[in-house]
Amino acid sequence: QKEVEQNSGPLSVPEGAIASLNCTYSDRGSQSFFWYRQYSGKSPELIMFIYSNGDKEDGRFTAQLNKASQYVSLLIRDSQPSDSATYLCAVIRGGSQGNLIFGKGTKLSVKP
Amino acid sequence: NAGVMQNPRHLVRRRGQEARLRCSPMKGHSHVYWYRQLPEEGLKFMVYLQKENIIDESGMPKERFSAEFPKEGPSILRIQQVVRGDSAAYFCASSPLPGLRTGNTIYFGEGSWLTVV
Repeated sequence: QKEVEQNSGPLSVPEGAIASLNCTYSDRGSQSFFWYRQYSGKSPELIMFIYSNGDKEDGRFTAQLNKASQYVSLLIRDSQPSDSATYLCAVIRGGSQGNLIFGKGTKLSVKP
Repeated sequence: NAGVMQNPRHLVRRRGQEARLRCSPMKGHSHVYWYRQLPEEGLKFMVYLQKENIIDESGMPKERFSAEFPKEGPSILRIQQVVRGDSAAYFCASSPLPGLRTGNTIYFGEGSWLTVV
C-alpha cells in the first residue's frame, strides 16, 4: 500500500463548480497534512496545511481532515480555469524528521 | 516559493558525466530538502540537510548520489556517472525551523531539470 494515495484523474469540472480532491494515507501516526498545487513544468506551490480534525477554510479552498478514516480532502469552490493544475497531497509521517511524503497528484481540469 | 534559488534551471549531460545542482535556501532558512520528480510521477523525498549535517538521507539512492550543505554557500546535489534514468526534475525546498513542525512551512524552488542523453 502506498503511503499517500490520490486518484490521478483527470478530474474535470465546469467553471464555477466545486472541485473535490481526495487523499488517503497509510501511516496512522501522520501528523501534518499539506496540499500543493503544481502547474505543468513549475514547482509545487503550497495552498493549505491542516493539522487538526475538521475543516479549515482559506478563501475558495477548504481542507478537510479525518484522522480516524485517514483521509484528507481539498474542496475548491467557484472553480476557475486558472485552477487547472495537478494537486499534490503530502503528509509528515509520525516520528519522521519532518520530510514530506507526497502522493502522485490529481490532475484537475476546469472547463470554461 | 520566492526566495529559494536553484541553478541551473536546465542541465543536459551525457551518460557517464557528473551533474551538480545547486540550491540557495530562503534568507533565514537553514534547513534544506531535496526532492526528485520523475515524469508523470509524484515528488520523492531524497535528503534533508542542515548546515554541515545530513539529517535524513533515507531517500537517496545508495550509489552515485551525494548531497552537502556547507557552512558557507549553497547546498549541492551531486550525481556521478549519470544514466538516462536520472532524467528528472530536482526540487530543492527550505524551511525556517527544524523538520516540519506544526506551524512551519516548506517552500520550494523552481527546480532543476536534468536531461541525460
